[in-house]
Amino acid sequence: GQQVMQIPQYQHVQEGEDFTTYCNSSTTLSNIQWYKQRPGGHPVFLIQLVKSGEVKKQKRLTFQFGEAKKNSSLHITATQTTDVGTYFCGWGGGSNYKLTFGKGTLLTVNP
Amino acid sequence: DAGVIQSPRHEVTEMGQEVTLRCKPISGHNSLFWYRQTMMRGLELLIYFNNNVPIDDSGMPEDRFSAKMPNASFSTLKIQPSEPRDSAVYFCASSSVAGGLENEQFFGPGTRLTVL
Repeated sequence: GQQVMQIPQYQHVQEGEDFTTYCNSSTTLSNIQWYKQRPGGHPVFLIQLVKSGEVKKQKRLTFQFGEAKKNSSLHITATQTTDVGTYFCGWGGGSNYKLTFGKGTLLTVNP
Repeated sequence: DAGVIQSPRHEVTEMGQEVTLRCKPISGHNSLFWYRQTMMRGLELLIYFNNNVPIDDSGMPEDRFSAKMPNASFSTLKIQPSEPRDSAVYFCASSSVAGGLENEQFFGPGTRLTVL
């Protein structure tokens, strides 16, 4: 069956340092979405990647989808305390519109 | 737009009691999802509906869990009888499905359930 791992599970950084979380799949993904959940909050959609090799940017956030569509990453440049939270990747099952989520990466930022 | 609405926000109950969680999706969305989140298991999909019809309930833990969507603007998740291991945050999410591709899901604020 499909195996998708999200790493790392936790990441603690000093404010201003960069941060990256990865989702790696054993099979090709049709698409991938990224969500952010603040402590005590609910997941909020960040981006969807569909095309092989796709790269999208949102201010300090850069999202990539691998050429083989088996891996994806979320990179934050110069983290700020407002970046604190858990970042989830979610991958689709094709026509059934169902997302499966990774375990998430909890990011903490030391001011 | 009010977003996805869930009630109650917090529920504390005793083992064996029936619990009903409620969700109002965003108007116009045709897919609704129920998730459970715990530290140990992360964010798990329990069931989802498309156009009010249950499509996949393979994530429902056992027969104690049931979900309904009687119309496009309302869904319930019921646990009967509840057990302490059901303690978790339950999220409802909705999306507008089109074009054969998953679209972003909008999550509600969640219901924090504690079963004593």
